[in-house]
Amino acid sequence: EAGVTQFPSHSVIEKGQTVTLRCDPISGHDNLYWYRRVMGKEIKFLLHFVKESKQDESGMPNNRFLAERTGGTYSTLKVQPAELEDSGVYFCASSQVSVPQYFGPGTRLTVL
Amino acid sequence: QKEVEQNSGPLSVPEGAIASLNCTYSDRGSQSFFWYRQYSGKSPELIMSIYSNGDKEDGRFTAQLNKASQYVSLLIRDSQPSDSATYLCAVNVNAGGTSYGKLTFGQGTILTVHP
Repeated sequence: EAGVTQFPSHSVIEKGQTVTLRCDPISGHDNLYWYRRVMGKEIKFLLHFVKESKQDESGMPNNRFLAERTGGTYSTLKVQPAELEDSGVYFCASSQVSVPQYFGPGTRLTVL
Repeated sequence: QKEVEQNSGPLSVPEGAIASLNCTYSDRGSQSFFWYRQYSGKSPELIMSIYSNGDKEDGRFTAQLNKASQYVSLLIRDSQPSDSATYLCAVNVNAGGTSYGKLTFGQGTILTVHP
């Protein structure tokens, strides 16, 4: 069974540009989560989808971040415009029920 | 006070020894507890989950939960150099659905097992 996949693995952009991260959950997992780890800090929750609906987006830092999950399958996380403090590793996780969650390899975002 | 606290280490143990990793949490509503292992540049890999007080064993790993004292620990017996990684403690608070699914992580403990 394929695990959670994320694309790209690494993205380097300049401040003010737009970046879109993609996550493909494990097949059959209705729950999809986005987390972020900035340097030196712990992994922090961003938001939670159940199928295509946002269950909890309390961790989204501001309105420059937009997450979508069309059709309840893959999800995208768009950052527009990107700021320096958005740099970090963005993880996606999925699960059948709320826990346990299985993580993808992450996308390392560097904003210059 | 952080919601989930871990000693960042590094914790260094000799091969074959028992490695003991500790985690405390602040929210008494916490229901589910997880240990993830993360190798450098890789995804967090779930190695243990525990939901009730007491011990849970899986191979060389034992998770211990004490809700009254609000701590959860992970013991690794017969430590191997391949166990060298960052160990992340994660806690789930399921409070009437308002935090459904959200995991709160500690900063992680770096474990080094030397031959």
